[in-house]
Amino acid sequence: TQLLEQSPQFLSIQEGENLTVYCNSSSVFSSLQWYRQEPGEGPVLLVTVVTGGEVKKLKRLTFQFGDARKDSSLHITAAQPGDTGLYLCAGEGREQTGANNLFFGTGTRLTVIP
Amino acid sequence: KAGVTQTPRYLIKTRGQQVTLSCSPISGHRSVSWYQQTPGQGLQFLFEYFSETQRNKGNFPGRFSGRQFSNSRSEMNVSTLELGDSALYLCASSLTARNYEQYFGPGTRLTVT
Repeated sequence: TQLLEQSPQFLSIQEGENLTVYCNSSSVFSSLQWYRQEPGEGPVLLVTVVTGGEVKKLKRLTFQFGDARKDSSLHITAAQPGDTGLYLCAGEGREQTGANNLFFGTGTRLTVIP
Repeated sequence: KAGVTQTPRYLIKTRGQQVTLSCSPISGHRSVSWYQQTPGQGLQFLFEYFSETQRNKGNFPGRFSGRQFSNSRSEMNVSTLELGDSALYLCASSLTARNYEQYFGPGTRLTVT
């Protein structure tokens, strides 16, 4: 199993502040995805990054894939209460069996206080 | 286009019983994956089905099984339920077996007492 560690595990900030969430691994991934999950719902795909060093922007969210494709970050500018949720990174990698699989990170629970 | 649907949304079972959960993928999606999500372990992969065949399997005991029908709908079964099986069970669909952009359903919340 390829481990993806996310930090911080919990984050509580005031509306309008900026924040960065990290997703780190010792393994190389073919691609990396970020999901947001709200209470009582399944995760929703936000973005997929494929190329080392790639940066993608989605309104106030900026996603970066590390040059070595082992890590990623999610930066949120001027956080809003609607950004509250569990953020999950997921890397596409190879099992010991040789099969490709999607490995999920440990998650960052973000609370944005109005 | 309708999203992934899962039934039932909530379920309470007793230890030793068995349970079957159902998942209908997005129309046109042929791959269905199942995950277990708990506060302690996070989101863990159970298995993936594509064209009615199990393509990949996570590290779960044989009490957890699944299948996929010709219309891509999938079911998972857990036999001899244990307290530790209490979790949110999520189903996700994707276009093909090699497409890892997953679209999740709302999940089935299983409580074992």
